[in-house]
This record gives sequence, C-alpha cells and structure tokens, in this order.
Amino acid sequence: AQKVTQAQTEISVVEKEDVTLDCVYETRDTTYYLFWYKQPPSGELVFLIRRNSFDEQNEISGRYSWNFQKSTSSFNFTITASQVVDSAVYFCALSEEGNTPLVFGKGTRLSVIA
Amino acid sequence: GAGVSQSPRYKVAKRGQDVALRCDPISGHVSLFWYQQALGQGPEFLTYFQNEAQLDKSGLPSDRFFAERPEGSVSTLKIQRTQQEDSAVYLCASIISDRATEQYFGPGTRLTVT
Repeated sequence: AQKVTQAQTEISVVEKEDVTLDCVYETRDTTYYLFWYKQPPSGELVFLIRRNSFDEQNEISGRYSWNFQKSTSSFNFTITASQVVDSAVYFCALSEEGNTPLVFGKGTRLSVIA
Repeated sequence: GAGVSQSPRYKVAKRGQDVALRCDPISGHVSLFWYQQALGQGPEFLTYFQNEAQLDKSGLPSDRFFAERPEGSVSTLKIQRTQQEDSAVYLCASIISDRATEQYFGPGTRLTVT
C-alpha cells in the first residue's frame, strides 16, 4: 500500500528565514510520481511540482527547491527567504502512475511571520 | 472555463437530507477525481472517472455516496441521508489525458451537516 508521511504538523518561521518541509513515502511500485501542492487559506490546492521515480535530479524554481532521494524515500521541499505569502498548508502526494488517484500526506501548516 | 469550478461553495444540510455537489472540470480534460478533506487532514480519494466511465469507486465511504459523469464533462457527487461525519470539504480535480499526471483542483465545496 502507498503511504505519505509529513511528520511536521506545523512550522512557524520569521520572514526571510529558510524552511524545509519533510516528506517520506512508501510504495512497492518501481514507477511512481511525487507531488507537492500548496493550499492557501482560500482552500484551493495549487500544483507546485511533479517528480517521477526515474528522475532524481533536484529542482529549483525561484525560491523553491526540491530534494528527491530514493535511498531514503524522501522528497523534501525547501523555501528560501520565506515570505508571508508562503503561509499555507503544504501537501506531499504520491501516485503509482499517470491518471491515478493521489495519496496525500496530512500536510504541514507553514506560518511565516513578518 | 479557465479552471475547475465547483458549486455550491458552501452547503449546510440537516442530518438526513440529501445533497448534490457539482464539479465542472477544465474543458477537454479527460479524467475527473473526487476527494474528501476532513478538517486538518489531507485529501482522501473517493472516486474517479475517465470520460463517462467510473473507473474506481473504492474510496466512497458508504453506499450513501454516489457519483456520476453522464456526458463525460460535468460530474455530480450525491450524498444521501447525510450524517454528521460527512461534514468535510469535497474537492474535485481534473487531468488533461490518461497519460498526464498533474491534477488541477477546484476550490472545493464545504459541507456542514447539522
């Protein structure tokens, strides 16, 4: 069975600090996809990134970066120089292949304080 | 439309009432997913469609839950004889093709059963 664990329930940082959100996953599939979504107070889940199991390259997009390590089954998300607008709940998710249901973690609530 | 839309955004139902929640996916998107998100939790899969075919309904919590997508576009999630434990946000997501992976979410319908 697939499982996603986000051990950090809530994190609070001061603006401009860097913050890393942890995600650990379990799956028996050799091919799978990992995702991060952001859920701001408005409630809509916003897609941030997708990674497939064959691509372990880390990715950077502006202040966001992702570290995928198959050896530790982790897909961590770092926000550099955090801003108040980054305050949201962040979800890590897993799917076994395209066009299949997502398995979500419980989310990490990030509060960035000015 | 530009994104996934859901209606109503908020619904209050008395215990025992039937409710119908609507999802309009992104135009042309082949697959449509329904998730239930309890307060403070990650979304959990309910059911999904590829065009008008319901491919998986294993996540529906009871036979009081029913979903349909008769013409392969708009979908309706119906809950009969609502119970307090049905109170949650119901999220709809669509995906562009059967080979795609990124799901795009609507704003959700917050259902409160009193």
